[in-house]
Parts: sequence; C-alpha cells; structure tokens
Amino acid sequence: DAGVIQSPRHEVTEMGQEVTLRCKPISGHNSLFWYRQTMMRGLELLIYFNNNVPIDDSGMPEDRFSAKMPNASFSTLKIQPSEPRDSAVYFCASSPVVRAINYGYTFGSGTRLTVV
Amino acid sequence: RKEVEQDPGPFNVPEGATVAFNCTYSNSASQSFFWYRQDCRKEPKLLMSVYSSGNEDGRFTAQLNRASQYISLLIRDSKLSDSATYLCVVSHTGRRALTFGSGTRLQVQP
Repeated sequence: DAGVIQSPRHEVTEMGQEVTLRCKPISGHNSLFWYRQTMMRGLELLIYFNNNVPIDDSGMPEDRFSAKMPNASFSTLKIQPSEPRDSAVYFCASSPVVRAINYGYTFGSGTRLTVV
Repeated sequence: RKEVEQDPGPFNVPEGATVAFNCTYSNSASQSFFWYRQDCRKEPKLLMSVYSSGNEDGRFTAQLNRASQYISLLIRDSKLSDSATYLCVVSHTGRRALTFGSGTRLQVQP
C-alpha cells in the first residue's frame, strides 16, 4: 500500500503566482479531504469529495482557491494568485467512504508552501 | 469558541511518568471521536478511536464523557518516543468530516 501521495513536498513561490498541489489517494478510498495547517489556526478542513464529487467546500478561504477531482485517483488544489498568508502545510487525506466517520483518515506527507 | 479545545501544553514529563490530556468539544451532535498523533514536520496519524465505554491500547487509554462533552487520553509509562503533538478529533452528523483540535504537545525527557 503506497499510502496517500502528495506532490510537491515543498513549494516556494512568489506572490501572485499560481500554485497547484497534487494528491493521489489510496486505491479504493472514495473520500478525499484537503486540510491546511498553520501554527495560528491548526488543521482546517478546506474541502472534501465523495466519489469525486465536492461535498463541502465551506472551508475554502476565498475564490483564489479551487479544487478538482477529475477521477478517483487524482485531485488538485489550486491557488491563483497566491499570497504570503497562504503559506502553510497543505495535507491531503483519504478514507473509505462508508467508514469515514468511524475509522478516521490516512494523511499524505503534506506540501509545505511558502509564498514570498 | 473553537469546536474542539485542547490545552496546547507543552507537557514536560520524565520517562516512566503517567500523563493525561483532556479535550472538550462544543457540538453535542458529535458522534465519532479519535486521538491522532503528529510528530514534528510530519503528517497526523491515527492513534486510536475513542468509544463510549472507554478503550485501551497498550499503554494508552481513551475515555469519553458525552454528558460533559470531553475526551481524555492517558499515557502510562511514558517513553521518549511518545514525544509528539496529540490531536483531539471529532466528527458529527451535520458535517461528515473530521474536526481537529489544535493539539497538545508532549515532551518526554530522559
């Protein structure tokens, strides 16, 4: 089992640039979650998908953020244009949909984003 | 008020000590509860689920008090390798996703 795979591991970009984060969930997991972690706010849910369909995007901070899941094995989180306050660690997690509530999630290693 | 509140710590304890963390949650509709562990610059990993009757996994014991809306984690015979941040996590029927507390940092010292 390869686990949840995220890329890139680190990203440094200039303010105003577009940033795309990628995630491959565990095969067979039908729920996928994007979280952001900062020292000030902890882990915050941005958006989650069930069977590739966005279910709750109320955590997406603003229109600069967008997420897609074109198929069961791939998701992207895009920030355009990026701002310094977007600097954080972005985690992707997946879970078998019928067990999401009872069994928790498996997280990827995260993408550490720095916007300068 | 945050949905899940934890004492940030740090808790500095000697090896072999027993340490307890508490966590409170605000949504009475919460139905599932977990403790996650996060090492420095790593991803969170599931430590254990928390059941209504309380449950134990080796040196770790989790308790749930629904009436008071708090969850606890007890670690006995602390090891150096237990040093990490412990995240209290809840979910509820209204939002089928996990909500994380900010974490409690534990430092076990030799």
